[in-house]
Amino acid sequence: DSQMTQSPSTLSASVGDRVTITCRASQSITNWLAWYQQKAGEAPKLLIYKASTLETGVPSRFSGSGSGTEFSLTISSLQPDDSATYYCQQYNSYPWTFGQGTRVEIK
Amino acid sequence: EVQLVESGGGLVKPGGSLRLSCAASGFTFTTYSMNWVRQTPGKGLEWVSSISTTSDYIYYADSVKGRFTISRDNAKNSLYLQMNSLRAEDTAVYYCARGHPVDYWGQGTLVTVSS
Repeated sequence: DSQMTQSPSTLSASVGDRVTITCRASQSITNWLAWYQQKAGEAPKLLIYKASTLETGVPSRFSGSGSGTEFSLTISSLQPDDSATYYCQQYNSYPWTFGQGTRVEIK
Repeated sequence: EVQLVESGGGLVKPGGSLRLSCAASGFTFTTYSMNWVRQTPGKGLEWVSSISTTSDYIYYADSVKGRFTISRDNAKNSLYLQMNSLRAEDTAVYYCARGHPVDYWGQGTLVTVSS
């Protein structure tokens, strides 16, 4: 199984800051990685798939990069609406696995 | 508009059974694989099971293998999860989720396993 490790677990930043969340896979998943945003009380929302492809309708301040075992999600200019928990997920092979999540707080 | 509406959650005793349903609308159901993903209250996400468009390929997490059964009825645009031999650790919000990777999620249904 491919284990996914996210860091940091919590991140606090100011509006306008550039923030980066990293996700490491225990074995190569090529680029079969998705990023999701989950706000309190809501279902997750797909932000990025295939490591770097932005889902339709997602603001361009979100971007993804990486391949193999190292990946990152970057928010270029943090907005108040970005307060949420972010999860990475590999879909290279079953069982699908998620990172433990990164909670992003606005200072 | 894509809609996934789960139902069937509730309170059940350990060892009991529940059947979750997911009604899909707003897209061509037969062209998408479907999934169940669960989330323990206050915790992270755990993939449970996936089923291909024609039910030829089915996958389960080890934690539910032999106890849960995923199925779909393409004529009714519906996805199901039969859950047997339920345990306390199965307590979670269960999401119906579309696609590979998941691009739409339902709002979830809460399953509580407790005596």
